[in-house]
Amino acid sequence: NAGVMQNPRHLVRRRGQEARLRCSPMKGHSHVYWYRQLPEEGLKFMVYLQKENIIDESGMPKERFSAEFPKEGPSILRIQQVVRGDSAAYFCASTGSSGGETQYFGPGTRLLVL
Amino acid sequence: QKEVEQDPGPLSVPEGAIVSLNCTYSNSAFQYFMWYRQYSRKGPELLMYTYSSGNKEDGRFTAQVDKSSKYISLFIRDSQPSDSATYLCAMSAGGNNRLAFGKGNQVVVIP
Repeated sequence: NAGVMQNPRHLVRRRGQEARLRCSPMKGHSHVYWYRQLPEEGLKFMVYLQKENIIDESGMPKERFSAEFPKEGPSILRIQQVVRGDSAAYFCASTGSSGGETQYFGPGTRLLVL
Repeated sequence: QKEVEQDPGPLSVPEGAIVSLNCTYSNSAFQYFMWYRQYSRKGPELLMYTYSSGNKEDGRFTAQVDKSSKYISLFIRDSQPSDSATYLCAMSAGGNNRLAFGKGNQVVVIP
């Protein structure tokens, strides 16, 4: 399966805990995007990364959220001290370059904060 | 004003009908226009991709882009129950390729 992979598919956390979401891009892709989908809302851009670089984090909340895409391994979206408002579906997408190529999405991680 | 407007109202049509969906946008820099289909509890799946203005047809699906009016459309002919899903419009200015999405339309095709 050469598609975008995300895990876990479902994640339950209590308020104050940390959530780590992982994304492995499509084979051959080196550009990763994270989006958040809140109930009754469309997908909202969060961050764009290339290997070892954050290119655009204009959609990331200022606090508690961070992202990385190391040289080896998956991209990680990390949410510290989660609150109920963080409950959402988090999607990762990848492309092979940044010049208008289509983005292919993973199945998402559904985070529920109790 | 939101970058992308998509009336999120649900749409129910009988099997075989034509489904018409549309989005408007405000950012003149958008050059790439997409429609994604999302089944319940799944990730968005690319359906149609168009660069700049014009029409594109793929089987039962037709995408139209009118940049002068900042208006894009998706038409589904001979709709099938398997077309029941949420349809999201998305667009990008290129460059860093950040996608701006509409809220999505839930479409139900009734057998």
